[in-house]
Amino acid sequence: DGGITQSPKYLFRKEGQNVTLSCEQNLNHDAMYWYRQDPGQGLRLIYYSQIVNDFQKGDIAEGYSVSREKKESFPLTVTSAQKNPTAFYLCASSIESGRVYNEQFFGPGTRLTVL
Amino acid sequence: GIQVEQSPPDLILQEGANSTLRCNFSDSVNNLQWFHQNPWGQLINLFYIPSGTKQNGRLSATTVATERYSLLYISSSQTTDSGVYFCAVEWTGTASKLTFGTGTRLQVTL
Repeated sequence: DGGITQSPKYLFRKEGQNVTLSCEQNLNHDAMYWYRQDPGQGLRLIYYSQIVNDFQKGDIAEGYSVSREKKESFPLTVTSAQKNPTAFYLCASSIESGRVYNEQFFGPGTRLTVL
Repeated sequence: GIQVEQSPPDLILQEGANSTLRCNFSDSVNNLQWFHQNPWGQLINLFYIPSGTKQNGRLSATTVATERYSLLYISSSQTTDSGVYFCAVEWTGTASKLTFGTGTRLQVTL
């Protein structure tokens, strides 16, 4: 059963703590992405990775970090430096960044709340 | 960067009605996708349509890249069509990055 999984579904964090959100895909996609969605808004790109061991900042990377050690996995760490981390986080993947055909598919998301 | 505007921002329909959602973008794009976000937050791919017309059941979409807009048509709407519809574009200036509009919130009533 191919797809993108994210865990946990809900996450609560105290101020000052770092948390890591998991994203795994078994679609054999090269490219993976992290987006943030605030209430009533569209999605904004945090980080993306076109290939293993390489990633680039998106539009709102400050206060976040990522790693891409395996093709299947692209975890996102929300650090204490992120001033307003409460949001809905969505992970996506596509077959290969930069190709003519590059449809992105999304996971179910993680809702992060900072208490 | 590229600007993506969707209209209308909100739409209320009775079941069975038809609707047209619009997406305008400010520059040339490589790709364009339409998504439906369900009440649980899941983004469902509707169309991958950088140009031309596609149909899938009661839904169809048309993108006129030279005039920088795309339309999503929903016919014979059902309550399960409720949710938020997003248009997202891949600007030619930033390969592989999707820029999202702010969405159209659709509510279909009985």
